[in-house]
Amino acid sequence: AQSVTQLDSHVSVSEGTPVLLRCNYSSSYSPSLFWYVQHPNKGLQLLLKYTSAATLVKGINGFEAEFKKSETSFHLTKPSAHMSDAAEYFCVERRRGSYIPTFGRGTSLIVHP
Amino acid sequence: EAGVTQFPSHSVIEKGQTVTLRCDPISGHDNLYWYRRVMGKEIKFLLHFVKESKQDESGMPNNRFLAERTGGTYSTLKVQPAELEDSGVYFCASSQGTSEKLFFGSGTQLSVL
Repeated sequence: AQSVTQLDSHVSVSEGTPVLLRCNYSSSYSPSLFWYVQHPNKGLQLLLKYTSAATLVKGINGFEAEFKKSETSFHLTKPSAHMSDAAEYFCVERRRGSYIPTFGRGTSLIVHP
Repeated sequence: EAGVTQFPSHSVIEKGQTVTLRCDPISGHDNLYWYRRVMGKEIKFLLHFVKESKQDESGMPNNRFLAERTGGTYSTLKVQPAELEDSGVYFCASSQGTSEKLFFGSGTQLSVL
């Protein structure tokens, strides 16, 4: 069963406007959560991770994500989109006690000039 | 430091043929993972090596897929005979010890015609 849900397959924003990529997890116990980004013809790169420390996690390139247990969400945000942010983003869950990360379906971020 | 490398980057074969994908993890990384993404769907776990041992191969779709990691260094994933539904992008990732951070290769795009 799918344990990580990325609610949008595509998100389109204008350059300079905020970005919101949504992710919901299903683990009952606080999992480790990650966001990865994949640019065309490149490998997946880790943006940020949550591992039960601070609920607001800051990542690279100005991205951050907030862990909300009450909503089982781990949405990715950025205040101002840049053209170079256009890529595919994956929310990833690693359940407690498991070595196996589980991926969401991915969200393609499109940034318009 | 070299990252995770995968070879080939693209492979086009006919149904019934055999293909072997190779992954070279980051030197010193004991954990090696294979994932697959079929077009438009989520990235799915195939198997996990710890050094040369298969720790978890629950994601392998069927016995046409054979993964090896001789000597605990590079890994190969062989598909024999290939079927149309095997088309997709095959990702390899590695990590060190108990670290949760995965380093991904660029993937192999496999097309079975």
